Amino acid sequence: EPEVTQTPSHQVTQMGQEVILRCVPISNHLYFYWYRQILGQKVEFLVSFYNNEISEKSEIFDDQFSVERPDGSNFTLKIRSTKLEDSAMYFCASSDGNQPQHFGDGTRLSIL
Amino acid sequence: DQQVKQNSPSLSVQEGRISILNCDYTNSMFDYFLWYKKYPAEGPTFLISISSIKDKNEDGRFTVFLNKSAKHLSLHIVPSQPGDSAVYFCAASARNSNYQLIWGAGTKLIIKP
Repeated sequence: EPEVTQTPSHQVTQMGQEVILRCVPISNHLYFYWYRQILGQKVEFLVSFYNNEISEKSEIFDDQFSVERPDGSNFTLKIRSTKLEDSAMYFCASSDGNQPQHFGDGTRLSIL
Repeated sequence: DQQVKQNSPSLSVQEGRISILNCDYTNSMFDYFLWYKKYPAEGPTFLISISSIKDKNEDGRFTVFLNKSAKHLSLHIVPSQPGDSAVYFCAASARNSNYQLIWGAGTKLIIKP
């Protein structure tokens, strides 16, 4: 069964550094999403992406965040200047219509 | 943000019995509801969904019921199996917010042998 794959599985970064989290969505999917889950809290929506542009973003997705689909397969989330509170699990998801969304196994981001 | 609530942090059920997981929501604009299952160190796995125009959807051992007037949905698993032990998340979405998923806090289901 096709899967969403995310790399790396764990990223450790110094505060203030830039990180790029990578995702390969399911190949025929057209809608892409990033969510995050801070330890002990709910999963939170960050951003959705369709037709090479952001279709929706949450209040969390401020100017330090950006997304890109640099080629036909990858979908990346960049955090420009990381803060301690960015430490979380980041999940990528994709769908071929609006629902359901299929998720990767996540990247655990640890900011030191 | 309490738009989607799962009030039971955990539930323990005997193998072979029915597991019933509950979810409440407050936003009347939600028109699509999903249940995801999550094992440790893995991402959420889609289980079953229901549109707001329906009140029941069934897929094998899993049935989701939607009560729109009560803003309540439930997931029934019957019979429960040891492999069903996981965290179950209820999620909801609305057409007018580009189908971003709003999540409950999850219920940890433990199936006892």
